[in-house]
Amino acid sequence: DAGVIQSPRHEVTEMGQEVTLRCKPISGHNSLFWYRQTMMRGLELLIYFNNNVPIDDSGMPEDRFSAKMPNASFSTLKIQPSEPRDSAVYFCASSKWDIGEQFFGPGTRLTVL
Amino acid sequence: AQSVAQPEDQVNVAEGNPLTVKCTYSVSGNPYLFWYVQYPNRGLQFLLKYITGDNLVKGSYGFEAEFNKSQTSFHLKKPSALVSDSALYFCAVRDLNYGGATNKLIFGTGTLLAVQP
Repeated sequence: DAGVIQSPRHEVTEMGQEVTLRCKPISGHNSLFWYRQTMMRGLELLIYFNNNVPIDDSGMPEDRFSAKMPNASFSTLKIQPSEPRDSAVYFCASSKWDIGEQFFGPGTRLTVL
Repeated sequence: AQSVAQPEDQVNVAEGNPLTVKCTYSVSGNPYLFWYVQYPNRGLQFLLKYITGDNLVKGSYGFEAEFNKSQTSFHLKKPSALVSDSALYFCAVRDLNYGGATNKLIFGTGTLLAVQP
C-alpha cells in the first residue's frame, strides 16, 4: 500500500492567497483526520471525517479554514485568505474502524510570507 | 475530561542503556492507548497499541510498553537505546466521548528522546 498521500509537500505563498492542501487516505480506511503542527502549539486536530462526513470541526481555527471530503479517496483543506500565522506543517491521517490506530501522511509544510 | 500527559519534554540516555518515556492517562472507561514516533521532517509513525489483554505490549523497532491500570500509566521502554532512536515520541488515547464510535485520538505534547553515542 502507498500509505497516506499528501500534496504538495511544500507550499510557499503570500499573505492573502488561497491555499489548498490535498490528501488521499489509505484505501479502505473510513476515517480521515487533518492536523496542524507548530513548535508553539504542538500537534492540533483540526477536523475529522467518518465515512466522508465531518464529525468534529471544533479544532478549525477560524472561518478562513474549510475542509471537504467529496469521496472516500480524497480530501482537501483550504485556507482563504492565508495569513503568516498559518505557517505550519499540516498532516493528514487515516484510520480503519476495526484497527484503531491512525496512519499519517508525510505532511505539507506551509509557509505564508 | 479525557487526557494524556507526557511529563518530560526531553529524555537523554546513552546508547546501549535502557530507556523509558513516560505517559499517564485519564479516561472514564477502558483505555485504548497508542505510541507514535516522529523523526525529523516526517509524519508520525505508529509504534504500538494497547487495547486489551497482556499488559506488556511489543511494537516496532524493539520498543515495548507496559499498561498499568492502577497507576494509569503506559510507559514506553526499550532495553538498549540506539542513536537512531532519537526522535519525538507521542503517547495517545482514544477519545471515548463518542461512546467509542470513533478513532479520534487525544495526543500528548510529545517527548524528545536524545540518545548520545
